[in-house]
Amino acid sequence: QKEVEQNSGPLSVPEGAIASLNCTYSDRGSQSFFWYRQYSGKSPELIMSIYSNGDKEDGRFTAQLNKASQYVSLLIRDSQPSDSATYLCAARGASIQGAQKLVFGQGTRLTINP
Amino acid sequence: GAVVSQHPSRVICKSGTSVKIECRSLDFQATTMFWYRQFPKQSLMLMATSNEGSKATYEQGVEKDKFLINHASLTLSTLTVTSAHPEDSSFYICSAREPSGGSYEQYFGPGTRLTVT
Repeated sequence: QKEVEQNSGPLSVPEGAIASLNCTYSDRGSQSFFWYRQYSGKSPELIMSIYSNGDKEDGRFTAQLNKASQYVSLLIRDSQPSDSATYLCAARGASIQGAQKLVFGQGTRLTINP
Repeated sequence: GAVVSQHPSRVICKSGTSVKIECRSLDFQATTMFWYRQFPKQSLMLMATSNEGSKATYEQGVEKDKFLINHASLTLSTLTVTSAHPEDSSFYICSAREPSGGSYEQYFGPGTRLTVT
């Protein structure tokens, strides 16, 4: 079982709709979670971080964390063609050795259709 | 957000030569930097964790004698790919952890695309 799992997609969403990206993690001790956006040929860009159960909103983005279900999601409201990218979910390692490292999912490719 | 730079952005080298890639944190001091490799259509693979003033910690399966990491200052880490071969061709990306406030956020450099001919 992979430590962080994402549906690789592609996920197609019409412009203006809500895009919903999901991620599950296996290490129950993980405390910090991150969403990165990566455009083709570019490096990842941090969009959101979330540490507590519940929702965290930043502009059109909302991150949701449910530690009991070991589930993290990212909602993108009013999707724009410029949101088309691969979205990477990451969890910070819980063990002492892994505490500084981020474990990444394989990414979900999102396409917003005009 | 914190800014991380990398140099060069793109390099082509001949098989058997060595290539050095620099990673700098521009507006903060990074005690910890990370080096990743990414092959086309694949996710990031962590190669090593670089701590200022100490030896890097390599991930399982990464040859430390082939991928030399030096983190000599709080703003600079370097990755040297020694005796490069075509299979080392990849996108190498560094990140730095911005340490203030106990955050574990990592900020990525723009990446270095290495092609070994």
